[in-house]
This record gives sequence, structure tokens and C-alpha cells, in this order.
Amino acid sequence: DTAVSQTPKYLVTQMGNDKSIKCEQNLGHDTMYWYKQDSKKFLKIMFSYNNKELIINETVPNRFSPKSPDKAHLNLHINSLELGDSAVYFCASSPYTTDNYGYTFGSGTRLTVV
Amino acid sequence: AQSVTQPDIHITVSEGASLELRCNYSYGATPYLFWYVQSPGQGLQLLLKYFSGDTLVQGIKGFEAEFKRSQSSFNLRKPSVHWSDAAEYFCAVGATGGGADGLTFGKGTHLIIQP
Repeated sequence: DTAVSQTPKYLVTQMGNDKSIKCEQNLGHDTMYWYKQDSKKFLKIMFSYNNKELIINETVPNRFSPKSPDKAHLNLHINSLELGDSAVYFCASSPYTTDNYGYTFGSGTRLTVV
Repeated sequence: AQSVTQPDIHITVSEGASLELRCNYSYGATPYLFWYVQSPGQGLQLLLKYFSGDTLVQGIKGFEAEFKRSQSSFNLRKPSVHWSDAAEYFCAVGATGGGADGLTFGKGTHLIIQP
């Protein structure tokens, strides 16, 4: 019973393609996130969704579009993939404005654009 | 804007020796601080977190961290490392324990364990 699950775990695709990464959480959390980890292991937030509404879009190219069909799911769709999009993408969730808790991360999706 | 600095990119420690990983943060209000560990090819696992109260917090796998407001630091320690501790360690700061702003991460410290 994985708390935050991402699919696929690995994704290899050609430049110019469109791809999606799916994320689901079964923790009942209100907020979900996408983070990108680059080749130097640096983690940076991309998007934050609270109850299906976008809260943050941290200067991410508009080729990236998050979609949240319900508060348990946050998918990431990427159009016209570029070599620089190769990275590990992590989904995470948290309860909204709750003290004494934190963030739960998925196991990541390694995207390789060739 | 909040930021996190992990001054050591790599640290090499002998198995059985003690460990301290440094973390300094910049944040205008009371920070919510976290340490995560990432083993090769794996996701992020929470080691410990600090929100308030006792400034020395205990985590999993024998790790602890001490919050020092005067030094804006949240250093991670372990008295005796094991070969399985070799991994990437990330310090992070958030505006709340869980909220829309998410976490700001440091660039990580790569821990190498020598036999």
C-alpha cells in the first residue's frame, strides 16, 4: 500500500514527443507537488496543487502542464520534449497548513530524452 | 526568499566513525526543517524534521539533528556510521509543515563510507 506512487518508474523517449507521468496518493492529503531533480541532484519545486487548484508554477516552461482530476491524483504532461528535460521527476504530497507533519515523496520517474 | 546551504558536496567517513553533515538556512520566520536521504536510484526518505519544541530531534536509522536559531543551522549527526549509510543527504526548509509553498532543498551532500 504505497503512499505516493508514480508511474512509470523509467521513461525513455525521443525529442519532440509528448509524454505523461502519473501520480497518486492514498494519504488523504490536500496538497500535491511535482519536483524536478537535475543531473547534479538538485531538487526544485515545479508545481503545487491544493484541492485541484494550481498554487505555484515556478518558472516552468509552458510545455509542462500539470493536471489534477481529483485531489488524490496529480499528473504531469510534457509536450515537445527536449534533451534538457531529462531528469528525475518526483511527486509529493502533504496535508495543507498542518503543523507537525510533512511531505511524502514518491519513488521518482527517471525521464531520458534521446 | 528562503534558501538552504549545504557547504559540503562530498564527505568521506570511515565505517564506525561519527558523522556530522552541515546545513544552514535562510528564512524570515520560524523555519520548518527537514533532512531527507536518497540512496542510489531511490526516492527520498524522511530522516527527521523540526517544527518546534526541543531543538534536538531524533530520527530514524540512529540520526539526530540540532536546530540552532542563532547560527541558522540544522546539522545532522550520527555517532557511528554503517556502510549502508552511503547515500545523498538533503536538508530542506519549508514555510509550514505541509503547505502550498513546498520545500526548498539544499544541493545535497554525498556521503561516502570507507571500510
